[in-house]
Amino acid sequence: EVQLVESGGGLVQPGGSLRLSCAASGFTFSSYWMHWVRQAPGKGLVWVSRINSDGSSTNYADSVKGRFTISRDNAKNTLYLQMNSLRAEDTAVYYCAPGRGWFDPWGQGTLVTVSS
Amino acid sequence: EIVLTQSPGTLSLSPGERATLSCRASQSVSSSYLAWYQQKPGQTPRLLIYGASSRATGIPDRFSGSGSGTDFTLTISRLEPEDFAVYYCQQYGSSPSFGGGTKVEIK
Repeated sequence: EVQLVESGGGLVQPGGSLRLSCAASGFTFSSYWMHWVRQAPGKGLVWVSRINSDGSSTNYADSVKGRFTISRDNAKNTLYLQMNSLRAEDTAVYYCAPGRGWFDPWGQGTLVTVSS
Repeated sequence: EIVLTQSPGTLSLSPGERATLSCRASQSVSSSYLAWYQQKPGQTPRLLIYGASSRATGIPDRFSGSGSGTDFTLTISRLEPEDFAVYYCQQYGSSPSFGGGTKVEIK
């Protein structure tokens, strides 16, 4: 069974940093592109970033470019999102998901709250 | 960036009725790289449709997807009580993007 477990969320002050992790199991992690998607409270889904299977190529939404960094450790079957210079508008549940195109399945998400 | 616009924002229907949800793209979505997801309150999104018309594993056949280019449709042939939820379309022809969602609520 595919499992994706996000962690690392929490309360952080504006301008602060957090690193999210996504532990994957039940599939060949090193063969899949991986994505981060976020959802602000009561709002819709927003794609954040993606990384290819070997980590050599990354892309970001304009809203996080230059502040967030996606990476992966295929030996540990883990995806990361380093978030710096956090803003109030980054407050959201962050999901990880595998896929070259569509996303399936999704993790349960981890909540990031940016507030003073 | 491809912008997806979903309509209507809210659809009020009764169980047993047919639901038709629209997703319009600001430019052509290559090779019908379009997916649909269902999200219920407090739950993770679930993939329903990929490639515009292919049902994901375990998805009932009352869900169907159609369309190409810039206009796509998700149809639920007969609404079951568990189908009342928010539905999102997503394109993956370029940098991925999602529509704003359509809420299907009980009338």
